[in-house]
Amino acid sequence: AQKITQTQPGMFVQEKEAVTLDCTYDTSDPSYGLFWYKQPSSGEMIFLIYQGSYDQQNATEGRYSLNFQKARKSANLVISASQLGDSAMYFCAMREGRRDDKIIFGKGTRLHILP
Amino acid sequence: DAGVIQSPRHEVTEMGQEVTLRCKPISGHNSLFWYRQTMMRGLELLIYFNNNVPIDDSGMPEDRFSAKMPNASFSTLKIQPSEPRDSAVYFCASSSGGNGQGSGANVLTFGAGSRLTVL
Repeated sequence: AQKITQTQPGMFVQEKEAVTLDCTYDTSDPSYGLFWYKQPSSGEMIFLIYQGSYDQQNATEGRYSLNFQKARKSANLVISASQLGDSAMYFCAMREGRRDDKIIFGKGTRLHILP
Repeated sequence: DAGVIQSPRHEVTEMGQEVTLRCKPISGHNSLFWYRQTMMRGLELLIYFNNNVPIDDSGMPEDRFSAKMPNASFSTLKIQPSEPRDSAVYFCASSSGGNGQGSGANVLTFGAGSRLTVL
């Protein structure tokens, strides 16, 4: 069963607009972590933001914020004031539990920022 | 720090040949991961190590794939014999977790990837 679901295979957004990339997850473990990574066309994987299941506040890193809705098991990435350089593939990922380092990824969303 | 170093960056080989991919994790990181990325299947976790010990290899597709971590600074992923369906980008990543007491926030740092083409 898929544990990380990203339902938007591709998105087109006008430059300077805000973008929300969807991610839902499935776990029965009360302790878990959620990550977002960016993969530009050059291929490298870049860490963007992390949210722990016990964190009281939504994570923010510059223009990136994570809209964490625990009851709905969703962890959407919000990019404010999008830029052309934000065009890339975005992956949501999850680590279950505290002892296990295993991290699994969703299939990704390809974001295109239009000038 | 030079980051996670993978070699080769590109490999083109013929079906049936042995392929060895190499990875040097970040010094001090004690968890190492091998992922495979394809268009159809996305990023798949193949195997990961904690303190040089394989913890979960359930993602290794079949017996043709094997991975080793002889010491804290080196790991290999071997495919023998290779097949065209093995064509993919193979990523190595490392993190500082793996001691069973992680906060959960241990971030994976990825290498640049090894692009494998099997003809």
